[in-house]
Amino acid sequence: AQTVTQSQPEMSVQEAETVTLSCTYDTSESDYYLFWYKQPPSRQMILVIRQEAYKQQNATENRFSVNFQKAAKSFSLKISDSQLGDAAMYFCAYGISSGSARQLTFGSGTQLTVLP
Amino acid sequence: DGGITQSPKYLFRKEGQNVTLSCEQNLNHDAMYWYRQDPGQGLRLIYYSQIVNDFQKGDIAEGYSVSREKKESFPLTVTSAQKNPTAFYLCASRSHPWVGTEAFFGQGTRLTVV
Repeated sequence: AQTVTQSQPEMSVQEAETVTLSCTYDTSESDYYLFWYKQPPSRQMILVIRQEAYKQQNATENRFSVNFQKAAKSFSLKISDSQLGDAAMYFCAYGISSGSARQLTFGSGTQLTVLP
Repeated sequence: DGGITQSPKYLFRKEGQNVTLSCEQNLNHDAMYWYRQDPGQGLRLIYYSQIVNDFQKGDIAEGYSVSREKKESFPLTVTSAQKNPTAFYLCASRSHPWVGTEAFFGQGTRLTVV
């Protein structure tokens, strides 16, 4: 079974600084997708960034980028120039690219606090 | 505006009662999902549906039931068989069941047993 591990239950960062959230996963599949979702205090989940496993280039979305290490099964999220609005729970998620639609497997989340 | 609407936002259930959580989407998405979120845990899949009149059990389906009679609607019933129903419930949809497509989420329903 696939598992997703986020080893940092809580993180904090000073406004305008950079922070990296860690995620590791376990899978025997070769073709899959990885996601970072943000859950702000409103509790509505929002997609931050996605990475296709067959692509070697790390995904980037404005201030958000990932460090995808396929061999190490690691998928960290870097937030640059942190803003107060970045404060939220961040979930790493994994999904295979074939088979049923039952994806995604989520990690337990990292609560990010942004300090003014 | 297109999106997913969950109602109610807060729901209280007495012991032994069944309750139904509503999830409606106007995104014309084929796939819909129900997740349960508990403190310190990630989202766990309860049920999912790829098309109308079809649905499949997820990892924690016991004590729950669903229906998918319309493309727009995917209600979740929490039955009295669910021993620990107090949790936050999230509904999601995807345009296509293919995993690469973005999942859109509702704002959730917090269910409390009183």
